[in-house]
Amino acid sequence: SAVISQKPSRDICQRGTSLTIQCQVDSQVTMMFWYRQQPGQSLTLIATANQGSEATYESGFVIDKFPISRPNLTFSTLTVSNMSPEDSSIYLCSVEGRENTGELFFGEGSRLTVL
Amino acid sequence: GENVEQHPSTLSVQEGDSAVIKCTYSDSASNYFPWYKQELGKGPQLIIDIRSNVGEKKDQRIAVTLNKTAKHFSLHITETQPEDSAVYFCAASTGTGNQFYFGTGTSLTVIP
Repeated sequence: SAVISQKPSRDICQRGTSLTIQCQVDSQVTMMFWYRQQPGQSLTLIATANQGSEATYESGFVIDKFPISRPNLTFSTLTVSNMSPEDSSIYLCSVEGRENTGELFFGEGSRLTVL
Repeated sequence: GENVEQHPSTLSVQEGDSAVIKCTYSDSASNYFPWYKQELGKGPQLIIDIRSNVGEKKDQRIAVTLNKTAKHFSLHITETQPEDSAVYFCAASTGTGNQFYFGTGTSLTVIP
């Protein structure tokens, strides 16, 4: 399985500010995925990030609110912009473990609390 | 789109007993069904998975069964231990690169 490192692991943020979450993988991967897990809830896909192209966002998520970068095959960032208390969640980076297996592996998550 | 339902939402068992978590899915095109364990403060960890060409898969104390006709799959944990206490998520996917649809999670507590 891939080793996925996320930073920060947790943060407390003020309303109206923005925070960028970093995701580093120990191997080159084609697709990286960003998920949101609201308190006590399941996982919801925000977007899929491919290197060299714009991220693909799921319904209900927009680039202005969640801009994503994918500068190379081992790194991605997710920014949560103009945060409100409703953005308090765990944000998870994930990648496929082995090509064409469909297996999905997750980082430890970034727990954001917005005051 | 796919809809994955998971039951129960909470489950308490005595140490040594078995635990069963069930999921149903709606899209007959789904062919990959992983199970994740999420401990407090950590990301989900893949613990076992099953593909649609298999009816059952076992890994030590953990097993997963799949009934394609009824569109449901289950996680079975035998001889439960306190360290099995966590939130478990099922998921369904139609394949590589496609979206995973997650169940709502089951909080399992194993009572020593």
